[in-house]
Amino acid sequence: AQKVTQAQTEISVVEKEDVTLDCVYETRDTTYYLFWYKQPPSGELVFLIRRNSFDEQNEISGRYSWNFQKSTSSFNFTITASQVVDSAVYFCALSVYSGAGSYQLTFGKGTKLSVIP
Amino acid sequence: GAGVSQSPSNKVTEKGKDVELRCDPISGHTALYWYRQSLGQGLEFLIYFQGNSAPDKSGLPSDRFSAERTGGSVSTLTIQRTQQEDSAVYLCASSLVSQGAGYTFGSGTRLTVV
Repeated sequence: AQKVTQAQTEISVVEKEDVTLDCVYETRDTTYYLFWYKQPPSGELVFLIRRNSFDEQNEISGRYSWNFQKSTSSFNFTITASQVVDSAVYFCALSVYSGAGSYQLTFGKGTKLSVIP
Repeated sequence: GAGVSQSPSNKVTEKGKDVELRCDPISGHTALYWYRQSLGQGLEFLIYFQGNSAPDKSGLPSDRFSAERTGGSVSTLTIQRTQQEDSAVYLCASSLVSQGAGYTFGSGTRLTVV
């Protein structure tokens, strides 16, 4: 069975601070995809990034960066110079093949980030 | 359409009534998922459709829940004899390639059972 753990339930930072959101996953599959989603107060889930299990290259997109380490089964997300608009709940998710043409996307419980001006 | 469309956006129903929630995925997306998000909780997988294959219903919490997808496009999630614990936001997502592509979520239907 797949499992995604986001140990940080809530984090508060002051604007312009850097913050890292942790994500640890469990799966026996060797082929899988990892995702991060942002859920602002409006409620819609916004796709941020997808990473496949064979690509451990770190990625940077503006103020966002992701660190994927298969050795520790972690896919952490860092926001540099945080802004108030970054306040949201962030979800890490894992997608694996579950048989009979079916894929299942398993989510962590989310980390609520509050950026204080 | 440009995104995943869900209707209604809000639904208040009396305990014991049946409700239908609709999801209109992005045109051409073969994979469609239903998730449930209870207040302050993560996302709970309900059901998955992929093309013409039999759906993966492993996440449906009880036999009061059912879903169908007509013509490989629009999907309807039906909850019969609603209970207060069914109150949640029901989210639909679709994907072009069921695993590799990013999943696009709709805005959800907020269901309140009173």
